[in-house]
Order: sequence, then structure tokens, then C-alpha cells
Amino acid sequence: QQKVQQSPESLIVPEGGMASLNCTSSDRNVDYFWWYRQHSGKSPKMLMSIFSNGEKEEGRFTVHLNKASLHTSLHIRDSQPSDSALYLCAAGITGNTGKLIFGLGTTLQVQP
Amino acid sequence: EAAVTQSPRNKVAVTGGKVTLSCNQTNNHNNMYWYRQDTGHGLRLIHYSYGAGSTEKGDIPDGYKASRPSQENFSLILELATPSQTSVYFCASGGTGGNQDTQYFGPGTRLLVL
Repeated sequence: QQKVQQSPESLIVPEGGMASLNCTSSDRNVDYFWWYRQHSGKSPKMLMSIFSNGEKEEGRFTVHLNKASLHTSLHIRDSQPSDSALYLCAAGITGNTGKLIFGLGTTLQVQP
Repeated sequence: EAAVTQSPRNKVAVTGGKVTLSCNQTNNHNNMYWYRQDTGHGLRLIHYSYGAGSTEKGDIPDGYKASRPSQENFSLILELATPSQTSVYFCASGGTGGNQDTQYFGPGTRLLVL
């Protein structure tokens, strides 16, 4: 069983719409998360990180974290066709030398 | 932005042959990682390193060896390649392993084992 579960597997939103992606860890030792974005044929690139309970906003992107439920979500407002990509959630454990556990990802398609 | 390069970018190998994938980073990062990415399995950690001379097993190390001869270079070695090792391989580097350290990925190597 995947230790990091992402939902939905795929998502289609209209240009200008809001995309909401979810990620949960089943490993109770996890205490921080990263979100990566991977365009087709390219390598993953870090999008946002979150280490504390609550919300973090950077431009059109907002990340939430609930440490009690080990759930994080990524919200993209005013979605653009260039946001179409695979979004990977990665979970980490403090003191685990930076190793990350990746989920299978959510494929986002933004339709013009 | 941090720079990680990989070579070769594409490789076709024969079953039973030896394959070496190379990774170079100019970020002076202590930690380096090798992943493979497969549909249905996502990104999985093969080996990682804390610095020159160190290698550690990741989650799926069987059939792979790693070598870290210097701070900048980290290689992944398939001594006897098998078709099941056909995949896209990514190298990443990232700081000293603290929570705040972003992992920066190389462009990937697409390996086909026939």
C-alpha cells in the first residue's frame, strides 16, 4: 500500500478555474510535505513546501496542512493551460536525512 | 537555480550487460539521490548518499549499486541489467538533509533494457 496517497488521480478544470489536489500519509512519523510539479517529459520541480499546521500562499498557489490527520492539499486558483502537469506530493520525516516518500501524483489538465 | 546534470539522457542496453548512469551537481550539496519513475509506482528511491565516499540503500536497492567518488558526482550502476529495469531514472541533490532542503532533480535518463 502506498504510504502517500493522492487524489484525485486526474483532474480537468477550465482555464481560470480552481484546482484542488489532496494528499494523505499513512505513516504517523511524517511531519512535513513538499509539492512538486512535473510537466510531461520533464523532471519534477519543487512547487511548495509546508512544515506547520495551517495555510501557506504563494501567488496563485495555496497549500494547507493538517498534521493531526496527515493531510495536505494544494489549491491552484485562476488555473492556466501551463499548469497542466503531474503534481507529486512528497512526505518527509524530521531526522530522516531528507529522504522523501512520493505519492503517485495527480494529473491536472487545464482546458482553454 | 541549482544545477543537476545526468548522462546519458537515453540508453539502450542488452540483458545481462553493465550500465552506468552518471549524475553531476554543482550546488555543493551533501545529499544526492537516485530514483526511478514508473507508471503505477511513482518515484521510488534506489540509493542515496550523504557525501563523498558514502552510499546508502533506499527503498528498492536490489539489482543496483551506487558510487559517490566526489561531492559533485554520484553514479548508479546496473551490473547485470534486466528488462524490469527499463525505466526513467532521476538523480537529485539536496542540501544537508534538513526539512528545509529542496531536492533538485536532473533531467532524467531514459533506459531501455532489451
